[in-house]
Amino acid sequence: DAGITQSPRHKVTETGTPVTLRCHQTENHRYMYWYRQDPGHGLRLIHYSYGVKDTDKGEVSDGYSVSRSKTEDFLLTLESATSSQTSVYFCAISETTGGSTDTQYFGPGTRLTVL
Amino acid sequence: AQSVTQPDIHITVSEGASLELRCNYSYGATPYLFWYVQSPGQGLQLLLKYFSGDTLVQGIKGFEAEFKRSQSSFNLRKPSVHWSDAAEYFCAVGAGGGATNKLIFGTGTLLAVQP
Repeated sequence: DAGITQSPRHKVTETGTPVTLRCHQTENHRYMYWYRQDPGHGLRLIHYSYGVKDTDKGEVSDGYSVSRSKTEDFLLTLESATSSQTSVYFCAISETTGGSTDTQYFGPGTRLTVL
Repeated sequence: AQSVTQPDIHITVSEGASLELRCNYSYGATPYLFWYVQSPGQGLQLLLKYFSGDTLVQGIKGFEAEFKRSQSSFNLRKPSVHWSDAAEYFCAVGAGGGATNKLIFGTGTLLAVQP
């Protein structure tokens, strides 16, 4: 299994509070991704990173920001959490080529509940 | 726009029976196709992938998938289902090149296995 950990694994927070989720990898892969998983929607890409300090938006980036100051860590921040951001968040990594043929490997997920 | 359709939200099969999960994609260029499986409370695990070449792809856990360009399909099959195969299955297409390796997921098919 790819060495990917996510923290916390579960979090309950209140509307309006900031939340940061962490993804840590031990594979030294260049590419990292954040997805959210919601019933009826599958997984949708929030943001991704193609190197240290290099990030870009995905399909559902509104309300989220990311940072990557080290190869191994990719942080997802909800500046002011809303109930619509209640979801399961998955981090993924992929091999260094970055092309469409890359395989993405997923972490165990973080279940976030915003009350 | 690229998209992936999994027409069956929920499927129930008997243990030992054969299985086919459907996946249709919409993508203008050569598709790179993936099947992932998600057990309850877990992350996504790659079952198999198709990039080019032989249209019948073998994966882990006895699964296979067949790419049919004329039907824009990439259906997942298993000749004999085991109770441990109960999980949610996601089809995905790689929808970017270069530095924009993005996966577009279907909404998933939840598989239940009857004894």
